[in-house]
Amino acid sequence: DQQVKQNSPSLSVQEGRISILNCDYTNSMFDYFLWYKKYPAEGPTFLISISSIKDKNEDGRFTVFLNKSAKHLSLHIVPSQPGDSAVYFCAAMVSNYQLIWGAGTKLIIKP
Amino acid sequence: DAGITQSPRHKVTETGTPVTLRCHQTENHRYMYWYRQDPGHGLRLIHYSYGVKDTDKGEVSDGYSVSRSKTEDFLLTLESATSSQTSVYFCAISESGSTGANVLTFGAGSRLTVL
Repeated sequence: DQQVKQNSPSLSVQEGRISILNCDYTNSMFDYFLWYKKYPAEGPTFLISISSIKDKNEDGRFTVFLNKSAKHLSLHIVPSQPGDSAVYFCAAMVSNYQLIWGAGTKLIIKP
Repeated sequence: DAGITQSPRHKVTETGTPVTLRCHQTENHRYMYWYRQDPGHGLRLIHYSYGVKDTDKGEVSDGYSVSRSKTEDFLLTLESATSSQTSVYFCAISESGSTGANVLTFGAGSRLTVL
């Protein structure tokens, strides 16, 4: 039973346009949601997080939106750049140590 | 660079052999974690540690054991490797325990193939 789902295995976006990555969850008790980015042969790196009491958090080109009624969050990247091509993981924090991870979405930025 | 290294980075072994993966950190972080990453599953927590000699199980701990005798080292042992343990293993560290998101810093991963 997956508590965090990323339903799109891959996404292709033109350079300069907006990339929108989606994540759905089932547990209303999650405290925080985090997005990580992963390049091949490297470990995931932290991108941005959002508290469950917020509905938006922005950091430069990256914005995360949280819709609690729909149990849905999304990561917006604008404008998309070639270096953004990577696998993006959504993770939900259920306690101060445990993260539940989605399966990831591979983002491909086309030149 | 967060000062977290994993060794070995790649290992091929045979079914039934013991395997130990090492994670070393220079950040003096309290929390350390072992995850495995498999296609279609994201990252799954194997074991974690919240201090020297203090460890606990994650969601996929069967077949794995861990030890933490020093703050900087966290070892993951497969007592008798099976083909289902073929995976990429990631170590992570964090300073969680305070308020806020638990932001983990990951090592580069150890790719294990069990034949």
